[in-house]
Order: sequence, then structure tokens, then C-alpha cells
Amino acid sequence: DIQMTQSPATLSASVGDRVTITCRASQSISTWLAWYQQKPGRAPKLLIYKASSLQSGVPSRFSGSGSGTEFTLTISSLQPDDFATYYCQQYNSFSYTFGQGTRLEIK
Amino acid sequence: QVQLVQSGAEVKKPGASVKVSCKASGYTFTSYHINWVRQATGQGIECLGWMNPNSGDTGYAQKFQGRVIMTGDTSITTAYMELGSLTSEDTAVYYCARSVGGYDYAGAYWGQGTLVTVSS
Repeated sequence: DIQMTQSPATLSASVGDRVTITCRASQSISTWLAWYQQKPGRAPKLLIYKASSLQSGVPSRFSGSGSGTEFTLTISSLQPDDFATYYCQQYNSFSYTFGQGTRLEIK
Repeated sequence: QVQLVQSGAEVKKPGASVKVSCKASGYTFTSYHINWVRQATGQGIECLGWMNPNSGDTGYAQKFQGRVIMTGDTSITTAYMELGSLTSEDTAVYYCARSVGGYDYAGAYWGQGTLVTVSS
């Protein structure tokens, strides 16, 4: 299986900050990468698909970039609702895999 | 509107099987893949596999090969995930998710989750 490594594991930030989360694949996945936001007790919510496409209804402060093995999720100006856990997922191979998650907490 | 409604919580004994359903509505069931993932309490997300409701094709994560079966009933627009030989490590919330569409298989719409507890 393709391994997905996210960093950092935990990120402390303030409202209004610009933050970046990184995801690295163990082999090239082209742009078959998604980013999800998850809050406690809720299902994941799709933010970005195909590395940089914004899912309908998701605020434009979220953006994604990258290809091959290196990807980033950027939140341009953190809002109170953005404090949550973020996961990347590759769906290039026959077997999809998630990163271990990044917990975004209030500083 | 797109909705995925999953079956209720299950309690199973070790060695048993569980079958979780995912009732789809608000879109053409055969036009989108269904992914299945799970999440143990306080842990990350793990993919079990995917199913193409149109063809019946499936793809299972290596870890679950031989132990998971994903099927669909197009007449009632429902997907199923059956996991056998359960152990306590299978205790988790199981989710179904509908793909974005076309050749993009990211999970765009999600069910509410089904808690499966394995305990003797």
C-alpha cells in the first residue's frame, strides 16, 4: 500500500493566521489526493479533491496544491470553525490510504 | 439532495460477521463509487475498500482481503459492507462515502457512521 505521511501532527494557531499542512506519499500518486476536515463525532468532510479542486460549498480560504509525492493544504485566514483535524487521502492506487491526521488547535 | 443513511449500531462477538448497509438517495446510484472506511475511537481513518455499483467491481485494502465483501443492490439503491472473523480490533465507526464522480473517487458525501462493537 502507498503510505501517506502528514506533518505536523499537531498545529497551534490563532484566528486570522495562515496555516499549511503537508502530506507526502511514499510513491507518486499524480494528483489523486483529497483533503478532509473532521470534527469530533462527525463524518469527515471533503474540502479538496484532485489535489487542488475545491469541493462545492467549501470556503475559498481553503486551497490545495502539489503533485507526485508532495502536497499541501493551506488555510489563508483561520476562522473559529476551522479548528478540527485534517486528513489527506490518496486514491491513486487500487487501495486508498489516509494520512495519520493533523490536529489544528487554538493557540 | 444526496443522502447516505447507514444501518444502526451493532454488537458482535469475536469470530462473528457484521453487515452494514448504506441506503443512497438523491442521485443515480449506479453512477458513483461507494467507499468504505472505518475509524476506531480516537484514531485515524482506515480504508476498507470501494465498490462500483454499476459493474459490481470492488477493490479491497490488502489488510482486509479475504475478510470483507462489498456488494450493492441497485433495485433499492443500497450498498453493503460485510466484515467477517471479527476481533476486538474491529471495534470502530464504519462509514460509507459516495465518490465525487467521473474518474474521481474521493469521498464527497458521507453516511452518518455505524458503530460496530466487538466484545465477548
